Amino acid sequence: NAGVTQTPKFQVLKTGQSMTLQCAQDMNHNSMYWYRQDPGMGLRLIYYSASEGTTDKGEVPNGYNVSRLNKREFSLRLESAAPSQTSVYFCASSEWSYPFPFEAFFGQGTRLTVV
Amino acid sequence: KNEVEQSPQNLTAQEGEFITINCSYSVGISALHWLQQHPGGGIVSLFMLSSGKKKHGRLIATINIQEKHSSLHITASHPRDSAVYICAVAGGTSYGKLTFGQGTILTVHP
Repeated sequence: NAGVTQTPKFQVLKTGQSMTLQCAQDMNHNSMYWYRQDPGMGLRLIYYSASEGTTDKGEVPNGYNVSRLNKREFSLRLESAAPSQTSVYFCASSEWSYPFPFEAFFGQGTRLTVV
Repeated sequence: KNEVEQSPQNLTAQEGEFITINCSYSVGISALHWLQQHPGGGIVSLFMLSSGKKKHGRLIATINIQEKHSSLHITASHPRDSAVYICAVAGGTSYGKLTFGQGTILTVHP
C-alpha cells in the first residue's frame, strides 16, 4: 500500500523553465492538496481539489496551475519557474466529509530549487 | 496573529526527558493533527484529535476544545525522536484544507 506518491523527489530548474510535479494516491480519497513548505513559514496551501473534477486556489496559487487528472492523480505545474518558487512541495490526500474529522496523508515531498 | 501557534519553536532535550510541545489555535475546528517530519523526510501523521486524549507508544496527545489548545507529550525521549513536530487544524467546512503551525524543532541528545 503506497499511500501518496510524489515524483520527482528532487529537481533543479533554471529560471523560466517549466515542469510538472506528479502526485498519485491509492486510497480512493476524494480530496487532494498541494502545499509548499518554506523555512519560517510553515506549510501553505497552493491548490486543492475537493473532489474529482474540481480544483480551487489556496493561499499561494500565483505561478502555479493544477490538474485533477482522475480520482487518483493531482498534478502541479510551474509554467515559468522563478527563484521564489524554490521550496519543498508536498502533496496530500484525505477522505474529507463534512462535518466529520478526517485523517490526512502526505507524500514524501519534492525538493525544488530554481536557479 | 497566526491562526495556529506552536511553542516552543526549538526544543533541546537529553535522552530520557519528558517533552511537551504546545499548540494553540484561534478558529473553530473539526480536528487537530499532530505531524512529524524527520530532516529531509516526508510528513507522517502521528495523531488526529477531535476531543480528549490519544496515546501511541511513548507519544500522548491531548486537546481542550474549549480552551483551543492541544499538547503533544513524548515520554522517555530518544534521539530518534529528533524531528520537526507540526500542529495542523481543519475547520468543519474547510474541504479538508489544513492550517499549519510553524513547527517545533526537537533535538534529543544521547
